[in-house]
Amino acid sequence: DAKTTQPNSMESNEEEPVHLPCNHSTISGTDYIHWYRQLPSQGPEYVIHGLTSNVNNRMASLAIAEDRKSSTLILHRATLRDAAVYYCILRDVVQGAQKLVFGQGTRLTINP
Amino acid sequence: DTEVTQTPKHLVMGMTNKKSLKCEQHMGHRAMYWYKQKAKKPPELMFVYSYEKLSINESVPSRFSPECPNSSLLNLHLHALQPEDSALYLCASSQVQRTGELFFGEGSRLTVL
Repeated sequence: DAKTTQPNSMESNEEEPVHLPCNHSTISGTDYIHWYRQLPSQGPEYVIHGLTSNVNNRMASLAIAEDRKSSTLILHRATLRDAAVYYCILRDVVQGAQKLVFGQGTRLTINP
Repeated sequence: DTEVTQTPKHLVMGMTNKKSLKCEQHMGHRAMYWYKQKAKKPPELMFVYSYEKLSINESVPSRFSPECPNSSLLNLHLHALQPEDSALYLCASSQVQRTGELFFGEGSRLTVL
């Protein structure tokens, strides 16, 4: 399984942008980059995914480096509800099912 | 309905008991997943079902026995567990052959005495 590396923890202030980095130097050409987050006492929640181009949705933006060896999840205006563990995952496919192997993730703290 | 429902939310069992965890979704997803999560650790993939057939078993001990009786249901049968199997067990579902999100349930918290 291709591996990702993320900082253990990050801290930011409410209403400021947050940039969460992820390194995935062994990424293959068909690996999609997925981001999930897990709020306290909840199951993981999908945030965004992409392959080569930058992606935006209502929750966040995903910026993917040109060589695809790294990516950055951008929360444009953090709120206290964004405090969670954020996981960057390289998605594999096995017999049609998506195989997501979670790494250690980044614990994001938001200060009021 | 975008929910994955897991029951029970909490389960306490002895090492000689047999119990089951249940997961249900009505989104028409044909891929279903079991993950195990220990405290302050990331979820670990256990099993994946695709079209009701087991497609991935991540070398899970045989005391965990998955079952997918139909496209909406996923069970995890538990027998002769050890205290170190105490964890949060998460179920998820997704479409097959599509790139998209996995929908996770809130998990079943298992304590083995």
